[in-house]
Amino acid sequence: AQRVTQPEKLLSVFKGAPVELKCNYSYSGSPELFWYVQYSRQRLQLLLRHISRESIKGFTADLNKGETSFHLKKPFAQEEDSAMYYCALRGGSEKLVFGKGTKLTVNP
Amino acid sequence: EPEVTQTPSHQVTQMGQEVILRCVPISNHLYFYWYRQILGQKVEFLVSFYNNEISEKSEIFDDQFSVERPDGSNFTLKIRSTKLEDSAMYFCASSYTRPTNEKLFFGSGTQLSVL
Repeated sequence: AQRVTQPEKLLSVFKGAPVELKCNYSYSGSPELFWYVQYSRQRLQLLLRHISRESIKGFTADLNKGETSFHLKKPFAQEEDSAMYYCALRGGSEKLVFGKGTKLTVNP
Repeated sequence: EPEVTQTPSHQVTQMGQEVILRCVPISNHLYFYWYRQILGQKVEFLVSFYNNEISEKSEIFDDQFSVERPDGSNFTLKIRSTKLEDSAMYFCASSYTRPTNEKLFFGSGTQLSVL
């Protein structure tokens, strides 16, 4: 079975502080992993994907197969980072399996 | 950037009624999807559609659901006889290529309320 767990429903940090949004997955094969973000009153949009090993808006995420994790990190949070963040997995089929999401609030 | 467009943004219907949710995917995209999110729960896959046929569907996508690409631009989700538990935000998405590490473009969603 494919499953994505985001243990934190809410995460609140101050501007300039580091932020880490946790994501753990369950899948027996080689997963494709993604972070999607939904800003207030906007649509879901791709933030980054593990295959690209890219940094978008200062965010990075490393796939750790040993720990089955794909945590999202940013060293210095900005107020505009406040949003809903969803970790998602694709495992050998077309569907994306999403976590429940973490609502990040960056306080001034 | 091009966008996936969904209409209406809100739909209210009576239980047992048929509803059609409409989507206009990005024009050169070939793969189309419906997802839904019941309030407070995960975004869930419903169905994928390619080359005028369903390529994958979830267990949620039962006989009450159907999809169609009637005219080469619209992509619709029909719920034949709505139930209270069909109340959710429904998202359409599209991608240009087969979704292996491919970015999905999501619409802004249709909030369906079944009374």
